[in-house]
Amino acid sequence: ETGVTQSPTHLIKTRGQQVTLRCSSQSGHNTVSWYQQALGQGPQFIFQYYREEENGRGNFPPRFSGLQFPNYSSELNVNALELDDSALYLCASSLAGSDYGYTFGSGTRLTVV
Amino acid sequence: AQKITQTQPGMFVQEKEAVTLDCTYDTSDQSYGLFWYKQPSSGEMIFLIYQGSYDEQNATEGRYSLNFQKARKSANLVISASQLGDSAMYFCAMSILLDTGRRALTFGSGTRLQVQP
Repeated sequence: ETGVTQSPTHLIKTRGQQVTLRCSSQSGHNTVSWYQQALGQGPQFIFQYYREEENGRGNFPPRFSGLQFPNYSSELNVNALELDDSALYLCASSLAGSDYGYTFGSGTRLTVV
Repeated sequence: AQKITQTQPGMFVQEKEAVTLDCTYDTSDQSYGLFWYKQPSSGEMIFLIYQGSYDEQNATEGRYSLNFQKARKSANLVISASQLGDSAMYFCAMSILLDTGRRALTFGSGTRLQVQP
């Protein structure tokens, strides 16, 4: 059983640029959620994808967008990067209808300079 | 508002002793789940233990137990026989119901646990 894989592990971008982060879900999971974890804080929910559609969103602006593919993998896109976007971005996969089995990846650490 | 509060930014414990990490929550949902995760410096969120709101017995997983007091809205994590490898950030989380009927997690601010030899 493969876990959740995120790429890249680290990334440095310039303010105003765009970035794409990738996540492969755990085998058997069909739902992917993305979280932003700023330094010294707990993760915050960005959005969730199920059946290739956004299925819930936290308090994040539209420049945060995503995709889910038929194999349940997902991308997080952030446009017009700001310095405050510097954070660890975590992806979690789960099975729809289950409130139990969230599996997290190791995250992508994004630094915006 | 649905919120998790962890009031201990940092905790120290001696190796082989037990430690309790505090967590209180606020929700108007009747059905919810409570989780504890461990986050080492590598960044990965490692699932430790889960308690459903309707579960009458406290959850246990090896050296981890969750002291669930529903009336007080608390879900404290107890780690018995601490080990040096337990040094990490610990997050309490709660499943919240989204407008779409799906669920996501809301996290507390975390507690940094340091186990001393």
